Amino acid sequence: EAGVTQFPSHSVIEKGQTVTLRCDPISGHDNLYWYRRVMGKEIKFLLHFVKESKQDESGMPNNRFLAERTGGTYSTLKVQPAELEDSGVYFCASSQGGAGNTEAFFGQGTRLTVV
Amino acid sequence: AQSVTQLGSHVSVSEGALVLLRCNYSSSVPPYLFWYVQYPNQGLQLLLKYTSAATLVKGINGFEAEFKKSETSFHLTKPSAHMSDAAEYFCAVSEYVKAAGNKLTFGGGTRVLVKP
Repeated sequence: EAGVTQFPSHSVIEKGQTVTLRCDPISGHDNLYWYRRVMGKEIKFLLHFVKESKQDESGMPNNRFLAERTGGTYSTLKVQPAELEDSGVYFCASSQGGAGNTEAFFGQGTRLTVV
Repeated sequence: AQSVTQLGSHVSVSEGALVLLRCNYSSSVPPYLFWYVQYPNQGLQLLLKYTSAATLVKGINGFEAEFKKSETSFHLTKPSAHMSDAAEYFCAVSEYVKAAGNKLTFGGGTRVLVKP
């Protein structure tokens, strides 16, 4: 069974450009989460999808970030326009159940560098 | 609001020595607690989780953690370190809020170096 897959693994873009990150969750997992780790800081929650619906987007930094999950399968996270402080590692996770004790499976992350 | 504190961003241990990684949490409701590990160039992998059953939780690769409510702690231990344990370890907490799913709050992470 394939795990959570994220594309690309690395991205270097200039300030002001647009970048789109993609996450393919484990098949059948209705819950999909995005997290971000800025260098030197803790991993922080961005948002949570249940199928195609945004359940909680309280962690999204600002309106330059747009997440979608069309059809309830893969998800994209677009940053437009990118700023220097957006650099970090973006993790995607998925889980089958929505309970608090459910294991979330993580992808390997996308390392975004904005220069 | 939840929070997690991991004492020590870097820990160095000798091969064969005890590994002890400290985690303290705060939560307004009984928590679910997790330890994840990230090996180089890989995603986060679940080591173990506490979900209000036994307070001593055994995980993969010989790790275990003990939930102590009175100390609000969930420290991770392994009796004998292996070179393969070199990685970054994350403690996390979640609260089950209906329809909010498993939203994790992470500690800052502890990077473990194992010396031969």
